[in-house]
Amino acid sequence: AQRVTQPEKLLSVFKGAPVELKCNYSYSGSPELFWYVQYSRQRLQLLLRHISRESIKGFTADLNKGETSFHLKKPFAQEEDSAMYYCALGLIQGAQKLVFGQGTRLTINP
Amino acid sequence: DSGVTQTPKHLITATGQRVTLRCSPRSGDLSVYWYQQSLDQGLQFLIQYYNGEERAKGNILERFSAQQFPDLHSELNLSSLELGDSALYFCASSVGPAGQYFGPGTRLTVL
Repeated sequence: AQRVTQPEKLLSVFKGAPVELKCNYSYSGSPELFWYVQYSRQRLQLLLRHISRESIKGFTADLNKGETSFHLKKPFAQEEDSAMYYCALGLIQGAQKLVFGQGTRLTINP
Repeated sequence: DSGVTQTPKHLITATGQRVTLRCSPRSGDLSVYWYQQSLDQGLQFLIQYYNGEERAKGNILERFSAQQFPDLHSELNLSSLELGDSALYFCASSVGPAGQYFGPGTRLTVL
């Protein structure tokens, strides 16, 4: 079965500190992984997709197929990074739906 | 702004009633997806339409149905509403597997 696990419901770090939001997935096929961010009272926004290997707002994520992980990292957290972060697995075969993790609420303390 | 629009923003109704949520995808996107976001279940995929045809079904109740019209907008119909149906309903659109773009959501409150 396809599953995405984000082990931390809440994560709190100080401004300027490194951030790592963990994401593990379970999928027998070839995965497409995404990170979405939801700022307070706003829509979900696509932050990163593993196929593009890009860095958005200082965030990066590397797909590790051996560990079935797609952790989101940022070297220096900023207060505006406070938001809800969702890791998502895109199922391409047959249906292009997204399976979401439960999300991690990141709070950056001043 | 991702270009996906949803109406209404908020909807308050009573148990047993029926409501319709509307979604307009980004220009050029053929796929529309519906998701339900609730506190206990998180974000759950409901259903996908591609160019007017149902493509995939997720955890969608039989009381719920959807359709996509020739102009590509989509409607999600929720009937015989129960208290537990109160949630945020998101629509998303895409042109392919490169990622989905979400609308602002419709907050449904069932009293």
